[in-house]
Amino acid sequence: QKEVEQDPGPLSVPEGAIVSLNCTYSNSAFQYFMWYRQYSRKGPELLMYTYSSGNKEDGRFTAQVDKSSKYISLFIRDSQPSDSATYLCAMSGGGSNYKLTFGKGTLLTVNP
Amino acid sequence: GAGVSQSPSNKVTEKGKDVELRCDPISGHTALYWYRQSLGQGLEFLIYFQGNSAPDKSGLPSDRFSAERTGGSVSTLTIQRTQQEDSAVYLCASSLSGNYGYTFGSGTRLTVV
Repeated sequence: QKEVEQDPGPLSVPEGAIVSLNCTYSNSAFQYFMWYRQYSRKGPELLMYTYSSGNKEDGRFTAQVDKSSKYISLFIRDSQPSDSATYLCAMSGGGSNYKLTFGKGTLLTVNP
Repeated sequence: GAGVSQSPSNKVTEKGKDVELRCDPISGHTALYWYRQSLGQGLEFLIYFQGNSAPDKSGLPSDRFSAERTGGSVSTLTIQRTQQEDSAVYLCASSLSGNYGYTFGSGTRLTVV
């Protein structure tokens, strides 16, 4: 079992839809959880950053962490064509080593 | 600089040749990382530099791979005797110490023919 599992999709939704993206993980030491967005031929860009369990909201984006289930989610409300990208979850166990473990990414297309 | 700069953006090399990939991090960022992203794969950690500490090289896939960081700023990733399986996008990222939110560069797309 890989440390971080993420459905690669592809996921295709109409403009304005609510999008749900998810990752599961096996390492209970993970405490820091991130979502990155990656456009084609670009580097990943940090979207959301969460410590431990709970919800965090930023505009149309909401990140949820459920450590008891080892499950994290990213919700995108009122999705736009400009949201079309690959979304990568990432996580770390903390301490002095800031190495991140990434999911493989989910390819999202929002159709106008 | 305003962002993380990587060069070259694309590199095609013949099998067996050596290549050098360069990363110029954001000014003031003490942490620097190299990751590799292969087709259909997630980002794979290669190496981590933090200030003047010894680097974490635990992700380097073989002794053909090496990296250095000069003066706590610019980093170079060197791949010797390249193989076709080395073909991938090599991403560099930097961050402030203690910050898990990296800023990535756009990567170097390496193709070994």
